Amino acid sequence: KNEVEQSPQNLTAQEGEFITINCSYSVGISALHWLQQHPGGGIVSLFMLSSGKKKHGRLIATINIQEKHSSLHITASHPRDSAVYICAVPYSGAGSYQLTFGKGTKLSVIP
Amino acid sequence: EAGVAQSPRYKIIEKRQSVAFWCNPISGHATLYWYQQILGQGPKLLIQFQNNGVVDDSQLPKDRFSAERLKGVDSTLKIQPAKLEDSAVYLCASSSTAPFTDTQYFGPGTRLTVL
Repeated sequence: KNEVEQSPQNLTAQEGEFITINCSYSVGISALHWLQQHPGGGIVSLFMLSSGKKKHGRLIATINIQEKHSSLHITASHPRDSAVYICAVPYSGAGSYQLTFGKGTKLSVIP
Repeated sequence: EAGVAQSPRYKIIEKRQSVAFWCNPISGHATLYWYQQILGQGPKLLIQFQNNGVVDDSQLPKDRFSAERLKGVDSTLKIQPAKLEDSAVYLCASSSTAPFTDTQYFGPGTRLTVL
């Protein structure tokens, strides 16, 4: 089973700052997911990437397959970005592919 | 496209009571997942269905938890009897294919408090 580590666990930023959240995993994968969880529990999938970089609005996700590392960047952060960001990687369990989740990074953006 | 629906959104029960959660996945999604997320941790898979068959329930505490997916659409997760440590958010997700080739879509979750 893949071990997923995220850093930092908690992050407080001023509005407008550039934010980076890191994710490392122990076993080689074919793709990695970044998810956003707002207070109240709902989870939204942000990215699924297998190589290089993906960009969606102010969010940028990068992955280095060789180093088993991915980063999520937020440019020009805004208070509405405050949420928990979770990375997840697939693993093969009981004959099927499932996801192992990191513990998440709680981001608070202060106006 | 309607998202994954879950109910109830919140539930408070006393220990040793029973509780049931309901999930309606996105139409056409064959794969359905139930996760347990304890405060401060990432989601943990409880059970995975492919259509109406169980693919993996290795982390489901079968002495007290049960789940079914009749007709390969809606699913229910039951806890009987509940323990204090079952307090968590229970998330349902669905995908059209395997998770590493397709996005998982999550419902809003059910927050369970066991007193």
